[in-house]
Amino acid sequence: QKEVEQNSGPLSVPEGAIASLNCTYSDRVSQSFFWYRQYSGKSPELIMSIYSNGDKEDGRFTAQLNKASQYVSLLIRDSQPSDSATYLCAERGRDDKIIFGKGTRLHILP
Amino acid sequence: EPEVTQTPSHQVTQMGQEVILRCVPISNHLYFYWYRQILGQKVEFLVSFYNNEISEKSEIFDDQFSVERPDGSNFTLKIRSTKLEDSAMYFCASSVGGPPQPQHFGDGTRLSIL
Repeated sequence: QKEVEQNSGPLSVPEGAIASLNCTYSDRVSQSFFWYRQYSGKSPELIMSIYSNGDKEDGRFTAQLNKASQYVSLLIRDSQPSDSATYLCAERGRDDKIIFGKGTRLHILP
Repeated sequence: EPEVTQTPSHQVTQMGQEVILRCVPISNHLYFYWYRQILGQKVEFLVSFYNNEISEKSEIFDDQFSVERPDGSNFTLKIRSTKLEDSAMYFCASSVGGPPQPQHFGDGTRLSIL
């Protein structure tokens, strides 16, 4: 059974610092990976998608993928209090469903 | 920016009753999904729908559940004979294409079974 593993946190990061969120996955044939942000009581909001090994940057966010190690990470630079949320790592294989991790709670300390 | 819209935002139903949750996917999207999230737990895949038929479903999506696209815009999830454990947030999502395209989520319907 495919699994996506994340540390549940909470991860506390001072405002302005870099937040580093990590995720591992079990399915070697997974093809695409996503980071979603979920505020309490709200729906998942797509932050980043990454399909190839290496880094992908979008504003303050950088996603990193290492398929050999089955590892995905998300870096948030210049962390803001509004970044405080649960971050969901997700993977999508050749089938048509997304498998989510349980999420990491991030708390940015003002 | 186009959005996935879901109605109602909150549905309260007596155990044993049937509920229909409604979704309007993004207009040019062709793939549609339902997920659920029990309070405090992870988001779980229920079903995917493409070309007017189910393309994949999870173990959760048993005979109690059904989906339908009754017209060109709506996508519905019907839950028959609701149980207490069906209480959860139900999210609809849509995608412009199949893998590896990302899925965009609606705001969800909170279903409370009494």
